[in-house]
Amino acid sequence: GQQVMQIPQYQHVQEGEDFTTYCNSSTTLSNIQWYKQRPGGHPVFLIQLVKSGEVKKQKRLTFQFGEAKKNSSLHITATQTTDVGTYFCAGLLGNKLVFGAGTILRVKS
Amino acid sequence: EPEVTQTPSHQVTQMGQEVILRCVPISNHLYFYWYRQILGQKVEFLVSFYNNEISEKSEIFDDQFSVERPDGSNFTLKIRSTKLEDSAMYFCASRVAGMNTEAFFGQGTRLTVV
Repeated sequence: GQQVMQIPQYQHVQEGEDFTTYCNSSTTLSNIQWYKQRPGGHPVFLIQLVKSGEVKKQKRLTFQFGEAKKNSSLHITATQTTDVGTYFCAGLLGNKLVFGAGTILRVKS
Repeated sequence: EPEVTQTPSHQVTQMGQEVILRCVPISNHLYFYWYRQILGQKVEFLVSFYNNEISEKSEIFDDQFSVERPDGSNFTLKIRSTKLEDSAMYFCASRVAGMNTEAFFGQGTRLTVV
């Protein structure tokens, strides 16, 4: 079936180190969305990428959408303890927003 | 700021019982979703609902599950004859029409089947 795959499953970094999570779809996506879920919380929308090759930045976060619109990445520069949580990519396939498995980020201070 | 609200926040039920999880989507939204997240695992799509009918559903969404929009504001998920493995956090989400619109999630209902 249609899937959105995300790696790594888990990343534990020292505060100040960078972090990247990668997302791949088996089919071309209309758009890719990124969500953050804090421990015990619900997914909260971060950003959406629509165009092939698009790059967007939010402070220390950089989001990329691949040229083929099948892959995406989220990069955090100089992680802080407030960055902890699970980062999900989600692709719109028809009316269905399909989530990747998420990457759990832990930051050691 | 408008938000998706879900009730109850936590529901404990005995195996075999029926439960109804309630959601009030944001008022001008047209697409509604239910997702499930088993503790520590991914957010799994269950069903999407548009124009008063199911538009897509996953293989998880079998005959045990049903959704309704009974009165134009509420969006409910009914689980008949609950099983232990139905224990999870259930999230409702909604979005406006259009391809490139974000989903807004409720706080979730934690369902515990004992």
